[in-house]
Amino acid sequence: NAGVTQTPKFRILKIGQSMTLQCTQDMNHNYMYWYRQDPGMGLKLIYYSVGAGITDKGEVPNGYNVSRSTTEDFPLRLELAAPSQTSVYFCASSIFGGGSVGSGANVLTFGAGSRLTVL
Amino acid sequence: TQLLEQSPQFLSIQEGENLTVYCNSSSVFSSLQWYRQEPGEGPVLLVTVVTGGEVKKLKRLTFQFGDARKDSSLHITAAQPGDTGLYLCAGAAGKLIFGQGTTLQVKP
Repeated sequence: NAGVTQTPKFRILKIGQSMTLQCTQDMNHNYMYWYRQDPGMGLKLIYYSVGAGITDKGEVPNGYNVSRSTTEDFPLRLELAAPSQTSVYFCASSIFGGGSVGSGANVLTFGAGSRLTVL
Repeated sequence: TQLLEQSPQFLSIQEGENLTVYCNSSSVFSSLQWYRQEPGEGPVLLVTVVTGGEVKKLKRLTFQFGDARKDSSLHITAAQPGDTGLYLCAGAAGKLIFGQGTTLQVKP
């Protein structure tokens, strides 16, 4: 199994450009997430989805959009890229919700990350 | 806003030394997870602790969940260079809240 696959791995954007980060998982997980990781800041949740057709905002959604047309795919779109969006982006998925109780039940499987630089 | 504070943020030690990483909050979590992340990769789950006071061991790593389920610690005995990486704690409270991470460097 491939797990969670993100593309591209690296990308440089100019201010004002748009792009889509792709994420696909082959584990039939209902829950999918997008995080951004900045040095010394841990992981911040951008958007998440509890199933196909359902998405919701996380802690830092401004400047981003998502869609979930299938169980497998959860793309993240950046409109009008800004330098503040320079970061490493991680897609993740889980069987149950990330906040669920249960030993091991809410394990997040992460992709390898996409490093985005906005100049 | 729920926060998880990890300390220290950076730790550089020699092979064979012991270390402890702390994860503290004023909030109560239903469970707490520890992840390890290597450069260029996503975080990988090490352990989930659910019960207050719970202790779990994973080879040389010992994880403890505080009695009040507000804090946790990760203790590594006789650290190896292979333990080098970023360690993240994450508390479950409706959704997962991540700490800012502890970067561990173990020198041979």
